[in-house]
Amino acid sequence: EPEVTQTPSHQVTQMGQEVILRCVPISNHLYFYWYRQILGQKVEFLVSFYNNEISEKSEIFDDQFSVERPDGSNFTLKIRSTKLEDSAMYFCASSERGGMKPQHFGDGTRLSIL
Amino acid sequence: SQQGEEDPQALSIQEGENATMNCSYKTSINNLQWYRQNSGRGLVHLILIRSNEREKHSGRLRVTLDTSKKSSSLLITASRAADTASYFCATDAFEGGRRALTFGSGTRLQVQP
Repeated sequence: EPEVTQTPSHQVTQMGQEVILRCVPISNHLYFYWYRQILGQKVEFLVSFYNNEISEKSEIFDDQFSVERPDGSNFTLKIRSTKLEDSAMYFCASSERGGMKPQHFGDGTRLSIL
Repeated sequence: SQQGEEDPQALSIQEGENATMNCSYKTSINNLQWYRQNSGRGLVHLILIRSNEREKHSGRLRVTLDTSKKSSSLLITASRAADTASYFCATDAFEGGRRALTFGSGTRLQVQP
């Protein structure tokens, strides 16, 4: 069964550094999402992406965050200048159709900011 | 309670018993979805129920939705040890001027063999 894959599984970065989290969505999916889950807290929506542009974004997704689909397969989340509070699990998801239809999640990247 | 709050927070049952988890939410929704998450893994979609549906079945899963009470329940029948996981409801709704999937805090289910 097709899967969403995320790399790396664990990223350790110094505060203030830029970090790029990578995702390969399921190949025939058109809608892409990023979520984060701070340890012990809820899964929080960050951004949705369709047709090479952001569809929706949350208040968490400020100017420090950006997303890109640099080629036909990858979908990336960049955090420009990381803060301690950015430490979390970051999940990528994709769906075949929009309207928040069932989403397929990757196993996440654990981001640790030192 | 916040959008998409589950109860109980934790549930421990014996294999073969049924497990019921509840979810309450605050705003009008387009649909409500249930996901499971095994420890250290991503979320896996289980079932989606539309706002005009009242009940839906998928294998050993039964989901109900009561939009008048803004609540949903997930029933897992004849539970197995492999059902041990966290279960989340997620509401598809407009909130703060945008449409997003909002997850609850989850119910941690432990099925004892």
